[in-house]
Amino acid sequence: GAGVSQTPSNKVTEKGKYVELRCDPISGHTALYWYRQSLGQGPEFLIYFQGTGAADDSGLPNDRFFAVRPEGSVSTLKIQRTERGDSAVYLCASSPMGGGTDNEQFFGPGTRLTVL
Amino acid sequence: DAKTTQPTSMDCAEGRAANLPCNHSTISGNEYVYWYRQIHSQGPQYIIHGLKNNETNEMASLIITEDRKSSTLILPHATLRDTAVYYCIVRVAMDAGNMLTFGGGTRLMVKP
Repeated sequence: GAGVSQTPSNKVTEKGKYVELRCDPISGHTALYWYRQSLGQGPEFLIYFQGTGAADDSGLPNDRFFAVRPEGSVSTLKIQRTERGDSAVYLCASSPMGGGTDNEQFFGPGTRLTVL
Repeated sequence: DAKTTQPTSMDCAEGRAANLPCNHSTISGNEYVYWYRQIHSQGPQYIIHGLKNNETNEMASLIITEDRKSSTLILPHATLRDTAVYYCIVRVAMDAGNMLTFGGGTRLMVKP
């Protein structure tokens, strides 16, 4: 079956520009997560959605980062005034429910963002 | 969530068992041990999890010590496709959001 998909797979932008990264979760999964992975490090949590609402956005590094999930399915991560330090792989994951230990997270392949 | 400590890298011969250790000496009674792996250029993939009993599935076995302060992930017959970074994660049961806190992981290289 279809897994989590993310578009684009690669994005190159210039410092100061605005970017949007899209995540299509597995159909029916109510929980959606965004992570960021810098080179050589493990993924870091950014934000978690349960349905349409952001249940936990404590991982967003600053107010340049924002994410939406208006219909409880597709999510968009938005980054304003990009900086070179934003360069990373942005990973999206979904799970059937947010709580409980048996709800493994299914990850997409990520979007590699490069800010020049 | 409790912190985990893993070796930075390990090698394993193809066809042999790969034993990946993880220390989690500050683990709490309600925290589970999870293992994920990340193959190059892919997102992380769930492998297995457990509380205190040993667990086995089609991918691997998880051995948790009696005091729960450490665990070992066992890939019984490693193949070249098992080359990946393996992450040991400890997290609270029924934690709202259940975000995963990744450390540096162990880079496993399976060699022919």
